[in-house]
Amino acid sequence: EIVMTQSPATLSVSPGERATLSCRASQSVSSKLAWYQQKPGQAPRLLIYDASTRATGIPDRISGSGSGTEFTLTISSLQSEDFAVYYCQQYKIWPPWTFGHGTKVEIK
Amino acid sequence: EVQLLESGGGLVPPGESLRLSCAASGFSFSSYAMSWVRQAPGKGLEWVSALSGSAYARYFADSVKGRFTISRDNSKNTLYLQMSSLRAEDTAVYYCVKSETGDPPGYFDSWGQGTLVTVSS
Repeated sequence: EIVMTQSPATLSVSPGERATLSCRASQSVSSKLAWYQQKPGQAPRLLIYDASTRATGIPDRISGSGSGTEFTLTISSLQSEDFAVYYCQQYKIWPPWTFGHGTKVEIK
Repeated sequence: EVQLLESGGGLVPPGESLRLSCAASGFSFSSYAMSWVRQAPGKGLEWVSALSGSAYARYFADSVKGRFTISRDNSKNTLYLQMSSLRAEDTAVYYCVKSETGDPPGYFDSWGQGTLVTVSS
């Protein structure tokens, strides 16, 4: 089973600043990596797939990068609606399809 | 617009059974793999089970293997999760999710709002 490790667990950022979230896979997942955003009381929402492709309707201030075992989600200028929990997920080696434990982005 | 509507959650004693349903609309249901992903209270996301669009290939997490069964009725655009021998650690919100391919599932491009299953005496 591929273990996904996200860091940091919590990221405190001021509105308008850049947020950088990391996700590491226990072995290479190539570019088979997705990112999701979850707000309190809501279902997760797909942001990024194939490591760097934005899903429909996702603003270009949100970007993904990386391949192999190291991945990054960057939010270039945090807006109020971006404060949430973010999960990465690999879909290279399955089952199981595995998620990281999440990074909470909170207002500083 | 893709819509996924789960139902069937509730409070159930340990050892009992429960069946979740997910009514899908807005896409060609039989063309896509579907999965269940759960989230225990205050915890992260855990993939539970997946079923190919044709219903030929089934996949289960080790934590539910032998206790849960996944099925689909493509004529009714509905996905099911039959859960038996339920344990306290199965307590979670269960999300019905759509994949972007028919098989195998990859990433999850649409999510339902979830249904809460509470296993407690």
